[in-house]
Amino acid sequence: DGGITQSPKYLFRKEGQNVTLSCEQNLNHDAMYWYRQDPGQGLRLIYYSQIVNDFQKGDIAEGYSVSREKKESFPLTVTSAQKNPTAFYLCASSTMGGRYNEQFFGPGTRLTVL
Amino acid sequence: GIQVEQSPPDLILQEGANSTLRCNFSDSVNNLQWFHQNPWGQLINLFYIPSGTKQNGRLSATTVATERYSLLYISSSQTTDSGVYFCAVREEDDYKLSFGAGTTVTVRA
Repeated sequence: DGGITQSPKYLFRKEGQNVTLSCEQNLNHDAMYWYRQDPGQGLRLIYYSQIVNDFQKGDIAEGYSVSREKKESFPLTVTSAQKNPTAFYLCASSTMGGRYNEQFFGPGTRLTVL
Repeated sequence: GIQVEQSPPDLILQEGANSTLRCNFSDSVNNLQWFHQNPWGQLINLFYIPSGTKQNGRLSATTVATERYSLLYISSSQTTDSGVYFCAVREEDDYKLSFGAGTTVTVRA
């Protein structure tokens, strides 16, 4: 089954801890993205990657870090420097090149800081 | 950056009713997508529609790129249509999607 998986579904973190959210895709997409959603709002881009070993900051990258060592994987680390990390995190992927690059989303991870 | 405005913010429908959701955007785009977010948070792709008209069952969408708006039509609404509908656009020479705030649709039996 082709798709995007995220784990865990729910994550609880104590203040001061770093946590890593997993995102894996088997769609053979080159580009991957991380978005954050706060209650009652749309999604905002944290980081994106167009190719392995390369990534760019989005609109709200402060307090987050990513890596892209494999085409299929794009983990997001929420560091202790992120002042308000409680949110719903969504990973997405798309093809690259040309004018067609529809984005597809994973099921999301809900992070709560205790 | 590009501004994306969706209207109305909330919509309450009786089962079987028709409705129109609107998305206005402030600049030229080369990608526009409509999504339905279900109660569990999953974003479901409805349409990839940078221009023109598409239909999928009871749903259809029209984008008039030159006038910078898109419309999503829901016909014969069902309770399973409830949720939040998002419009998202991608500007030329950019990679991210910029999202509107969404329209929350509630369909009552």
